[in-house]
Amino acid sequence: RKEVEQDPGPFNVPEGATVAFNCTYSNSASQSFFWYRQDCRKEPKLLMSVYSSGNEDGRFTAQLNRASQYISLLIRDSKLSDSATYLCVVVGGSSASKIIFGSGTRLSIRP
Amino acid sequence: DGGITQSPKYLFRKEGQNVTLSCEQNLNHDAMYWYRQDPGQGLRLIYYSQIVNDFQKGDIAEGYSVSREKKESFPLTVTSAQKNPTAFYLCASSIDPQPLTKNIQYFGAGTRLSVL
Repeated sequence: RKEVEQDPGPFNVPEGATVAFNCTYSNSASQSFFWYRQDCRKEPKLLMSVYSSGNEDGRFTAQLNRASQYISLLIRDSKLSDSATYLCVVVGGSSASKIIFGSGTRLSIRP
Repeated sequence: DGGITQSPKYLFRKEGQNVTLSCEQNLNHDAMYWYRQDPGQGLRLIYYSQIVNDFQKGDIAEGYSVSREKKESFPLTVTSAQKNPTAFYLCASSIDPQPLTKNIQYFGAGTRLSVL
């Protein structure tokens, strides 16, 4: 089993829709979680950190479920500009080698 | 304008050749990282450095080498021992690898390496 798993998609949804995707992790001792956004042929950029109590940033909501070992990202009122690949990042220990990137979920928003 | 600069954007390597990818940051970050990304895959850690003159191997260090002589610079050499070097190479930095909750990484624009 991979340490961090994401549904590769693509998720193809109409503009204005709400879309959500999950990221599961295998290391129960994982301590920090992040969502990054990566546009085609570009570098990843931090979208948001994921806090234990859940957090929201505008149209984006991130949740952490430690019992089931997954994090989620919810995008409301999706825009064309939200089309990208979303990478989850799980930090499992104090070494940089414990920073694990998921392979990403591709999201495509259609007009 | 603070950030991370990678060069070149595109690089072609001949068989048996060593090539060096540049990564410079002016964010005053202590930690720097090199990742490799293959199509449809996540980032895999090649090497990382937490302080000057010190670096550690990541998951796929074989065929690569690095140096960290200055805080701002962390060049990656892809040696001829790396038999499948074609990939997208990303350099990142973070203000400090500790504590974990603040380990937000900032990435350069990447270098695409291909084999001739």
